[in-house]
Amino acid sequence: AQKITQTQPGMFVQEKEAVTLDCTYDTSDPSYGLFWYKQPSSGEMIFLIYQGSYDQQNATEGRYSLNFQKARKSANLVISASQLGDSAMYFCAMREGQSGGSYIPTFGRGTSLIVHP
Amino acid sequence: DADVTQTPRNRITKTGKRIMLECSQTKGHDRMYWYRQDPGLGLQLIYYSFDVKDINKGEISDGYSVSRQAQAKFSLSLESAIPNQTALYFCATSDFRDPGELFFGEGSRLTVL
Repeated sequence: AQKITQTQPGMFVQEKEAVTLDCTYDTSDPSYGLFWYKQPSSGEMIFLIYQGSYDQQNATEGRYSLNFQKARKSANLVISASQLGDSAMYFCAMREGQSGGSYIPTFGRGTSLIVHP
Repeated sequence: DADVTQTPRNRITKTGKRIMLECSQTKGHDRMYWYRQDPGLGLQLIYYSFDVKDINKGEISDGYSVSRQAQAKFSLSLESAIPNQTALYFCATSDFRDPGELFFGEGSRLTVL
């Protein structure tokens, strides 16, 4: 079974609008971390944001925020005020276990976001 | 210079050839990983290493081998390449003390004809 599910293969958004990219996860470990990465057409992987399972508040980094709903096991990425440069593939990932543990990150299949002018 | 460097960045080879992809890092991290990316499949883990003497198979290790020559170097080998191994390969590192953020190399695009 997939541990990370991204149900939107592709998304379109108008420039300056907000967009939500969905991510659900599956784990029985009480301690885990959730990540989002961006992959522009140039291919590199860029870390965007991190949410720990024990964090009380949703993570934010500039225009990126993570809508963390623990009971629903969802960790959606919200991009506010979309820019043309936001057009890219976006990957959700999860690390189970605490820092220092032996668990390794697993990735979803990604969502392709296209921002229209 | 990049903290995680992969060589070569692009390689075209023929079926049956042996290929080595190299990864070196200057971040001082103990953990290193090799991932493979295929369109629509995300990143799949091939091998990972938590220190020089620790090598572990990932979910798609068949057809691949690795070598951790030093803390900073982790190489991926395809002993006899096949067209099915055409993909984008990423090396990544992480520090066990951090929340587990991965630091990626720029990727190595391999084409097997």
